[in-house]
Amino acid sequence: DAGITQSPRHKVTETGTPVTLRCHQTENHRYMYWYRQDPGHGLRLIHYSYGVKDTDKGEVSDGYSVSRSKTEDFLLTLESATSSQTSVYFCAISDRRGTETQYFGPGTRLLVL
Amino acid sequence: QQQVKQSPQSLIVQKGGISIINCAYENTAFDYFPWYQQFPGKGPALLIAIRPDVSEKKEGRFTISFNKSAKQFSLHIMDSQPGDSATYFCAASSSGAGSYQLTFGKGTKLSVIP
Repeated sequence: DAGITQSPRHKVTETGTPVTLRCHQTENHRYMYWYRQDPGHGLRLIHYSYGVKDTDKGEVSDGYSVSRSKTEDFLLTLESATSSQTSVYFCAISDRRGTETQYFGPGTRLLVL
Repeated sequence: QQQVKQSPQSLIVQKGGISIINCAYENTAFDYFPWYQQFPGKGPALLIAIRPDVSEKKEGRFTISFNKSAKQFSLHIMDSQPGDSATYFCAASSSGAGSYQLTFGKGTKLSVIP
């Protein structure tokens, strides 16, 4: 998985609780992305980062926030988890601006009860 | 608005047959068209990609055909094998300024039966 780790790999939480997912890379790639994958919807971009402390919204950003204080770490936070945020979350990295290969992490399976 | 439409949703092919997955896009600014392969429990991985300056790209048993005027591109898997059973996603992006996103199709689940 191209030097990308995601933690935790599995998480069960309750509605209304905050959740933080971590993506860590060892490739020193500039660009990092958070996607969610749901049956029938494919992969949808939540947020992305084009440098340390530089982030922007993707297609489905409502209810999510991100932070990137170091090149290697990109955090995704669900401030108050809802059942609709039950999904598989993938982190991806790229050393070019979105038009080149994105390398995906192994995913985090999140269940919000 | 779905910018990349992928079909079929699922596909069953006999071993040795040809698997064909189609995608259509609307945004004429798209200039990079990758295909990703995903096995259960794993993240997607780049399989093959094409830019619109060519109409076809082949890598082993995998071929992308690209039709710029029709705004369509397709993945052909020749001599399909059970090990090819996976979900395939087409995607598209633009190299324009300020563009960072890959837009994905909804995926095709391919099953290759012996």
